[in-house]
Amino acid sequence: GAGVSQSPSNKVTEKGKDVELRCDPISGHTALYWYRQSLGQGLEFLIYFQGNSAPDKSGLPSDRFSAERTGGSVSTLTIQRTQQEDSAVYLCASSLIRTAQETQYFGPGTRLLVL
Amino acid sequence: QKEVEQDPGPLSVPEGAIVSLNCTYSNSAFQYFMWYRQYSRKGPELLMYTYSSGNKEDGRFTAQVDKSSKYISLFIRDSQPSDSATYLCAMRRNDYKLSFGAGTTVTVRA
Repeated sequence: GAGVSQSPSNKVTEKGKDVELRCDPISGHTALYWYRQSLGQGLEFLIYFQGNSAPDKSGLPSDRFSAERTGGSVSTLTIQRTQQEDSAVYLCASSLIRTAQETQYFGPGTRLLVL
Repeated sequence: QKEVEQDPGPLSVPEGAIVSLNCTYSNSAFQYFMWYRQYSRKGPELLMYTYSSGNKEDGRFTAQVDKSSKYISLFIRDSQPSDSATYLCAMRRNDYKLSFGAGTTVTVRA
């Protein structure tokens, strides 16, 4: 389809392991966003990309979290030394351009469970 | 205190009833207001988008914004079982960063 895709759909990992989550935005969308959705919580902004650069990383909860984007398209969110509190749904969104009026289209998310 | 407050429910209504959802916010800089619908194990999808105070109607959905009270609402008329989902309010200043409510889970009983 033409929507935002994310992989894997589900990820179960052991505490202390590293995980990589992938996002494929809608073709042609230059802006890409990562959010985290914990049980009973709203979506929490993590990081924003414009092209391959990340001008706003303010939402990353710790230095164990990092993200990159290559070719102005695919993005990877990496969590190192996972902790149980990292368990959540990680959502990616993309938009055509970065304006306040532009709609962000969300992917289905990756459900991460840290045991 | 959270920037955006939303009662998580759950809310259960019979088919055909009016569903009323609302959020309050504390940041007067918010200018754009949205409602997203999220089905189980899916990503949020945009339902309604408003900029100014007042009402906006789209089919069975009506969004209201009262900036003076920092209060937004979503009404769903003639609710259907297919409306069963989690509804998230979201808002932002004049930039890209969305602030979300916790979401209200709605079940419409056939």
